[in-house]
Amino acid sequence: ILNVEQSPQSLHVQEGDSTNFTCSFPSSNFYALHWYRWETAKSPEALFVMTLNGDEKKKGRISATLNTKEGYSYLYIKGSQPEDSATYLCAINAGGTSYGKLTFGQGTILTVHP
Amino acid sequence: NAGVTQTPKFRILKIGQSMTLQCAQDMNHNYMYWYRQDPGMGLKLIYYSVGAGITDKGEVPNGYNVSRSTTEDFPLRLELAAPSQTSVYFCATRQGYEQYFGPGTRLTVT
Repeated sequence: ILNVEQSPQSLHVQEGDSTNFTCSFPSSNFYALHWYRWETAKSPEALFVMTLNGDEKKKGRISATLNTKEGYSYLYIKGSQPEDSATYLCAINAGGTSYGKLTFGQGTILTVHP
Repeated sequence: NAGVTQTPKFRILKIGQSMTLQCAQDMNHNYMYWYRQDPGMGLKLIYYSVGAGITDKGEVPNGYNVSRSTTEDFPLRLELAAPSQTSVYFCATRQGYEQYFGPGTRLTVT
């Protein structure tokens, strides 16, 4: 069983602040890393899928980086808005015979105060 | 395309009752998954299927059963509901790297 750790567990920021969170995972047996945004009562929304060491992805004010050699990914939000409030989930796909099974971290709960 | 659909959206069960959570997809994806989401715990994989007729256990299968008689449907069965099964249940499909989640079923067992 993979161990995927996210930090911090929760974060409160003011509107306009930039913020970032971390996802750590075992660097061996890595195939792909996923970031999801999850709002209560909705299904997780895919943000990024990253596979290569050094990958950087961007979607509007949100960006992510990947370091597979040391086993971490950062998610950045620039100029946070109240609508960014959600739980951000990181998940790893170990590949091989894992059949696409995702192992999730516990999530980072972001609250952006107006 | 409806994508991944789940029914019901909400359900309250008494301890010991049984029920089936339905999941259907119209994308012709072979891979399907059931996850449960508990507060502060992320999502945990219950069961998965790589195609019709093939299912396997995930990380937390105890108390659940699945079947996959068609590509489209992947129902999850709870035989004897327990309070520990109170959770939000998500069904998902996969194609390539992407996983597509259904809207979830919120289940409370009292």
